[in-house]
Amino acid sequence: DGGITQSPKYLFRKEGQNVTLSCEQNLNHDAMYWYRQDPGQGLRLIYYSQIVNDFQKGDIAEGYSVSREKKESFPLTVTSAQKNPTAFYLCASSSRVSSLNIQYFGAGTRLSVL
Amino acid sequence: ELKVEQNPLFLSMQEGKNYTIYCNYSTTSDRLYWYRQDPGKSLESLFVLLSNGAVKQEGRLMASLDTKARLSTLHITAAVHDLSATYFCAVEWWDSNYQLIWGAGTKLIIKP
Repeated sequence: DGGITQSPKYLFRKEGQNVTLSCEQNLNHDAMYWYRQDPGQGLRLIYYSQIVNDFQKGDIAEGYSVSREKKESFPLTVTSAQKNPTAFYLCASSSRVSSLNIQYFGAGTRLSVL
Repeated sequence: ELKVEQNPLFLSMQEGKNYTIYCNYSTTSDRLYWYRQDPGKSLESLFVLLSNGAVKQEGRLMASLDTKARLSTLHITAAVHDLSATYFCAVEWWDSNYQLIWGAGTKLIIKP
């Protein structure tokens, strides 16, 4: 089945620790996105990538880093510089073959601070 | 900068009633997307509205787009409990690349 796989489902971070959230897609989509969702709020864009080996900062990139070495994979690292990382993180992908920007989402990773 | 506002942010209603969720945006765009999110779950695409006057319907949900008024509506007809969820609108915007700018979401609770 085609889709987007995020792991882990739950993640706990200790003070000063970097953690990496995984996102893999087998939809052959060129574009991938990372969003942060806080309770009762909409989605805020952290980083996005339109092609392999290229990515751009979104609205709230500070304290986060990404890589895009393969088309299928777009991992997000939450660094110790992100002082308030507790949130629900969603990865998405899209293809503009049909000129639409429908984004398909993974199941999400819920990150908490110990 | 494009801003997207949804209202209401919270809606509690009885089964069988009709209601409308509104999505206003601040800058010209011809493309608007509606998504549904169940509690603790991911987002699911509902509708894509591509031009002024576009109307899409699926079951008890109908979405429309007025690009001149910069307004989209999501109308619920004869609501049922299964439609309880948070509904998001997102507007497509070009800023060196295409992005979706998201509304804050409308949490809909439908009581039996």
